[in-house]
Amino acid sequence: DAKTTQPPSMDCAEGRAANLPCNHSTISGNEYVYWYRQIHSQGPQYIIHGLKNNETNEMASLIITEDRKSSTLILPHATLRDTAVYYCIAGNTPLVFGKGTRLSVIA
Amino acid sequence: DGGITQSPKYLFRKEGQNVTLSCEQNLNHDAMYWYRQDPGQGLRLIYYSQIVNDFQKGDIAEGYSVSREKKESFPLTVTSAQKNPTAFYLCASSIGGNKNSQYFGAGTRLSVL
Repeated sequence: DAKTTQPPSMDCAEGRAANLPCNHSTISGNEYVYWYRQIHSQGPQYIIHGLKNNETNEMASLIITEDRKSSTLILPHATLRDTAVYYCIAGNTPLVFGKGTRLSVIA
Repeated sequence: DGGITQSPKYLFRKEGQNVTLSCEQNLNHDAMYWYRQDPGQGLRLIYYSQIVNDFQKGDIAEGYSVSREKKESFPLTVTSAQKNPTAFYLCASSIGGNKNSQYFGAGTRLSVL
């Protein structure tokens, strides 16, 4: 799996878009980009994944740069319940989880 | 209601004792995984199984054992050889292959008495 780099923490105002960056400059051509989140003391929750194209589902959007060396997870209207640790993973299963980004949504 | 069930939610182990953590899934997934999480850290892979009666070691398999006798079940035994077993243990499953998302259970928190 490719190494990923994420900021350790971020804040976002409630109702605003949360944009979480991830660098994966060593990603190989067949490796996917996955995003998960983990709310305190719960199991990680799958959010979204993609290979080359941008993806959107009911939870979030995933923007992958054309060279695939970085990506951004967008939560369009953050709520207090989105406060969690967000993990970006570049690879294939079994997935390798780093320390992620702790997102705090502030009222 | 489909999903992954881990039990118990909390477990205590005495010194020298083996304990077994249960993981059951009714998603008809071929692959199952066990991870360990220590406070403030990411998840580390203990064992995984891509098919019944077969499993592979992950990054930190020492002191742990698994079995995969049924598709829906993947129990993890924490043996007395695991000297620092206190952690949050997470089970996951996926359809199979190496390009499909993993889905997680709620976890078991193991503590040593």
